[in-house]
Amino acid sequence: SAVISQKPSRDICQRGTSLTIQCQVDSQVTMMFWYRQQPGQSLTLIATANQGSEATYESGFVIDKFPISRPNLTFSTLTVSNMSPEDSSIYLCSVDRGPNYGYTFGSGTRLTVV
Amino acid sequence: AQSVAQPEDQVNVAEGNPLTVKCTYSVSGNPYLFWYVQYPNRGLQFLLKYITGDNLVKGSYGFEAEFNKSQTSFHLKKPSALVSDSALYFCAVRDTLHGSGNTGKLIFGQGTTLQVKP
Repeated sequence: SAVISQKPSRDICQRGTSLTIQCQVDSQVTMMFWYRQQPGQSLTLIATANQGSEATYESGFVIDKFPISRPNLTFSTLTVSNMSPEDSSIYLCSVDRGPNYGYTFGSGTRLTVV
Repeated sequence: AQSVAQPEDQVNVAEGNPLTVKCTYSVSGNPYLFWYVQYPNRGLQFLLKYITGDNLVKGSYGFEAEFNKSQTSFHLKKPSALVSDSALYFCAVRDTLHGSGNTGKLIFGQGTTLQVKP
């Protein structure tokens, strides 16, 4: 299955600032997915990132708050903008390797906003 | 809309005993179902999936899951639990209405904490 390198693994940020999370995949994939896992909660999809086009955001998530880049088929970034303590979560990227392989997840970025 | 439910927030089992973590689903069409495990301070690890074929699916670390179409369930099982199995387990279904082909998003259940006691 695909190997995903996600960084940073954790960060503590001041409110009002922004953090960019990077995910690098070891093979080309059509779509990458960005999830948020709030403390003690399940995973919620933020957006789906296609190469060469704008990301598709889920209800409750907007581009101004979570801009996404997808410059090529192996890389994507998620920025958490103008952070508040409510943004403290684990953020994970994921790729779908097809029905025979399932989905692979990055190791996650644990964000704490103070 | 597709959804999955994990009715138990926590499952407690003694080491060596069989374990079951429950999952039910609601989908239109054929379900693509997954189980993932999350250890503390680590990402999600894939355990197993059901796409088609045999209803009993075998996965990593000795886990298996039984797909039951009539009961719309996909319970995770292991014959003999280990203390090291203690973790957070997620059932998920692929949204077959999103995009086309193999590019559907995953919809997760709320998670079940498995506690295996020595």
